[in-house]
Amino acid sequence: KQEVTQIPAALSVPEGENLVLNCSFTDSAIYNLQWFRQDPGKGLTSLLLIQSSQREQTSGRLNASLDKSSGRSTLYIAASQPGDSATYLCAVLDSNYQLIWGAGTKLIIKP
Amino acid sequence: DGGITQSPKYLFRKEGQNVTLSCEQNLNHDAMYWYRQDPGQGLRLIYYSQIVNDFQKGDIAEGYSVSREKKESFPLTVTSAQKNPTAFYLCASSPGQRTSGRGNEQYFGPGTRLTVT
Repeated sequence: KQEVTQIPAALSVPEGENLVLNCSFTDSAIYNLQWFRQDPGKGLTSLLLIQSSQREQTSGRLNASLDKSSGRSTLYIAASQPGDSATYLCAVLDSNYQLIWGAGTKLIIKP
Repeated sequence: DGGITQSPKYLFRKEGQNVTLSCEQNLNHDAMYWYRQDPGQGLRLIYYSQIVNDFQKGDIAEGYSVSREKKESFPLTVTSAQKNPTAFYLCASSPGQRTSGRGNEQYFGPGTRLTVT
């Protein structure tokens, strides 16, 4: 059964730093992997979607990588800002076309 | 504006009462989903529907029911049989093509926080 893990559960860094969030999954048979952002008490906003055949996707200061063989993805945030503070969730689309979710990493950027 | 709406944002009910959460989308998406989110856990799928008049149980369907009479609407009823209903409920939709492409990309509503006392 596919399991998705995000480590760390929480992260606090000073403004301006580059940072990496990690996501791992147990079954490499996925169609894609998505990174989402969730602000407190709000819905989810899709940030990046990486197809299983791709290695990375970039959007602005965000870069997501995918290594399917090792079951890992990273979300790189460059030059972090206080507005980046949120919970970041990753999810994989498994072989049954179901999204399997990690528990998220709560990110705090200190001004 | 196209999007997904959920209402209400906050909902309070007494134990033993059924309650229905609304989800509407005007994205012309075929597929719709209901998730439950609890602190420290990933989202868990309650029910999903790939097409009108059809829906499937997710991982935690017990104590919940849904209907899909219209493409735009996918209401979720939390019944008194749900043992621990207090949670944040998220509705999502996707174009619905069962491919590895963006047809499966899900778009989320703002959520409903249900508190049962």
